[in-house]
Parts: sequence; C-alpha cells; structure tokens
Amino acid sequence: RKEVEQDPGPFNVPEGATVAFNCTYSNSASQSFFWYRQDCRKEPKLLMSVYSSGNEDGRFTAQLNRASQYISLLIRDSKLSDSATYLCVVNPSGNNRKLIWGLGTSLAVNP
Amino acid sequence: EAGVVQSPRYKIIEKKQPVAFWCNPISGHNTLYWYLQNLGQGPELLIRYENEEAVDDSQLPKDRFSAERLKGVDSTLKIQPAELGDSAVYLCASSPSRGAETQYFGPGTRLLVL
Repeated sequence: RKEVEQDPGPFNVPEGATVAFNCTYSNSASQSFFWYRQDCRKEPKLLMSVYSSGNEDGRFTAQLNRASQYISLLIRDSKLSDSATYLCVVNPSGNNRKLIWGLGTSLAVNP
Repeated sequence: EAGVVQSPRYKIIEKKQPVAFWCNPISGHNTLYWYLQNLGQGPELLIRYENEEAVDDSQLPKDRFSAERLKGVDSTLKIQPAELGDSAVYLCASSPSRGAETQYFGPGTRLLVL
C-alpha cells in the first residue's frame, strides 16, 4: 500500500458544482496534513493545512478522519480558476522532515 | 518578498552530458529541498538541507547526482552524466526553520535529455 494515495481523476465538473477529493494515508501515526495546489506547468503552492477539527477557507473545506486515515478537500461553487491538480501531503513522523506527497488529483472546471 | 529563484528554467542536453541547476531560497529560510517531479506524479524528495548540512539525501542517486549548499544559502544540484530517464522538472523549495512545514517552491527547471 502506498503511503499516500489519491484518485488521480480527472474530475470534470461544471462551474458552480461542489466537488470533493479524498486522500488516504497508511501511517496511523502521521502528524500533519496539507493540501497543495499545482497549476499546469507551475510549482506547487500550499492551499491549506488540515487540522483535526477541520478547517474552512472560503469555498474550501478540509477535514481529517484519523479513524479511517483519510483527509478530504471539499470545493464549493467551483470556479474555472479552480482547475488544477490538488496534491495531498502528509508528514508521517511529526518531525516535519519528510513530507510524503500524493500523486495529485486533477480537477477541470468547465464553463 | 522575493520567492525562490531557480535557473535555468529550461535545459535541453544530450545524454551523458553534465547539467547543473541553481536555487536561491527565500531570504532567511534555513531549510532547502530539491525535488524531482515527473509528469503526472507528485514531487519526490532528492535532498534536504538544514543550513549547509545535508540532513536527508537518502533518495539522491549518488552515482550521478550531487548537490551542495556551501554557505547555507543558495544551492546547486548537478547530474553527471545525465541519462534519458532524468528528464523531469527539478523543483527547489525552502522553508523558514526546522519547525516550519510550509514549503515554498521555485518555478522549477524543466530538463529534457535527448
């Protein structure tokens, strides 16, 4: 089993739709979790950290389910500009040394 | 604030040739990372520096790859000799300190080995 697994997609959704991505991780002792966004031919950029209590930033909501070992990202009211690859990132050890990156989930928001 | 700077942005070389990539992290960032990213894949860590010390180079193919960060600021990643399979994007990232988990990436160097 891979340390971090994501559905690569692509997810094709119309503007205004709500879309959700899940990411599973194998190490139950993992300490911290992140979603990064990567636009085509660009570098990854931090979208949001994922806290145990869940967190929301505008149209984006991230949640952590430790019992089932997954994190999720929910995007409401999708915009064309949300089209990108969303990378799930896990810190398995708590010493923030070695972030484990998922392969990314590709999202295309269509007009 | 200037971001992470990398050069060159693109490089095309023939196999067996050497190539070098340069990275200047965000000012004051002690931790520097080199990643390799293939199309459709997530970044894969090659090496991590804390100041001038390489603290994790377990994924660096040391037979052909080398890196340095002599003064704890900018860094160079070298491949010699390059192979066809080295074609990828080489990303440099930095973070402020040991405790920081947010990584700031440069634009990357896109390498094509012919």
